[in-house]
Amino acid sequence: DTAVSQTPKYLVTQMGNDKSIKCEQNLGHDTMYWYKQDSKKFLKIMFSYNNKELIINETVPNRFSPKSPDKAHLNLHINSLELGDSAVYFCASSLPGTSGSPYGEQFFGPGTRLTVL
Amino acid sequence: QKEVEQDPGPLSVPEGAIVSLNCTYSNSAFQYFMWYRQYSRKGPDLLMYTYSSGNKEDGRFTAQVDKSSKYISLFIRDSQPSDSATYLCAMAPGNTGFQKLVFGTGTRLLVSP
Repeated sequence: DTAVSQTPKYLVTQMGNDKSIKCEQNLGHDTMYWYKQDSKKFLKIMFSYNNKELIINETVPNRFSPKSPDKAHLNLHINSLELGDSAVYFCASSLPGTSGSPYGEQFFGPGTRLTVL
Repeated sequence: QKEVEQDPGPLSVPEGAIVSLNCTYSNSAFQYFMWYRQYSRKGPDLLMYTYSSGNKEDGRFTAQVDKSSKYISLFIRDSQPSDSATYLCAMAPGNTGFQKLVFGTGTRLLVSP
């Protein structure tokens, strides 16, 4: 009954490699996100997709490319990995807000801990 | 300077203490204010959210927003060891959509038995 799942949970790789992280949600949500959490626990949004369309694209290097094959999936591909990419990457999903409940709660996955050597 | 500032802690308290966690922010466009709790090696979970100024209570937790001071607080009464976690405040503007959350750096709370 996992709501937001990510694979892999841990990823250790060498500098210069290309890697992908996958995210799936079974909540029926329209919107999905990628966040990066650094070693000091600072959580920052990277991308957001709504119904497979990119709606938020923060200042992220072009080496990061999100892909949403359908509403339930959002993958993150990273090219030419650098030491500074080491972090925990969280996927999240949410429903849009309504007039009665403006805030669409974001549900987070368990995270993917990426270590670049 | 970050848009949202939060003391990283750690904040160590004995069981049963009242805990006060705080965030300050600089963007006056923020209208939605959230508190997330993150246990070690887990994703954040929404604890409470408030819209605009005011207080909100849920069990042992009370969230306060003072927009005039750009200051939000989370109070935990009768703290328990199970409350030990990192608490992240998050905010979103009301005009461009509440989906773009801006997080504080989190405060690590340790409640000892």
